[in-house]
Amino acid sequence: EPEVTQTPSHQVTQMGQEVILRCVPISNHLYFYWYRQILGQKVEFLVSFYNNEISEKSEIFDDQFSVERPDGSNFTLKIRSTKLEDSAMYFCASKSGSLDTDTQYFGPGTRLTVL
Amino acid sequence: AQSVTQLDSQVPVFEEAPVELRCNYSSSVSVYLFWYVQYPNQGLQLLLKYLSGSTLVKGINGFEAEFNKSQTSFHLRKPSVHISDTAEYFCAVTPSNAGNNRKLIWGLGTSLAVNP
Repeated sequence: EPEVTQTPSHQVTQMGQEVILRCVPISNHLYFYWYRQILGQKVEFLVSFYNNEISEKSEIFDDQFSVERPDGSNFTLKIRSTKLEDSAMYFCASKSGSLDTDTQYFGPGTRLTVL
Repeated sequence: AQSVTQLDSQVPVFEEAPVELRCNYSSSVSVYLFWYVQYPNQGLQLLLKYLSGSTLVKGINGFEAEFNKSQTSFHLRKPSVHISDTAEYFCAVTPSNAGNNRKLIWGLGTSLAVNP
């Protein structure tokens, strides 16, 4: 069964450093998402991406964040200058373009630790 | 705006006992509802969803949920749990009128611990 994959599983970085979290969505899916979960808090929507552009972004997704689909298979989340409060589990998800399904398929997550 | 409340952060239960994980939501528009499960060190997996039609929805691994519009609830149930059901369970909603590119709004999660 096809699945969403994410790398790395755990990333440790120093405050102020740039990080890139990588995701490989399910092939032939058209909609892509990033969510994050700070320890002990709710899963929060960050951004959705369709047709090579951002469809919607949350207030969390400020100028420090960017997303890209550089080669038609990867979907990346870049944090330009990490802060301590960016420490969280980051989940990537993808969804097909079928109108009769609303299922987002999630990857296993990347745990980002900012020191 | 929508919000989701999962009333129990932790639910301990013995193996083969029934379990109910509660989820209530708030929304000014119609919503689609989902339950996801996260096993240790794994991603979020869809258990079941309600889009329309019958309010009793059956999912994988013997779980089911009932949509109650008047009580704005979508509680998850299983008549007899197994040790392997130990996991984190998340309730999520999305507005049904938001087009095809919908974000999910999540509850805080319920940690189900099944003991022998």
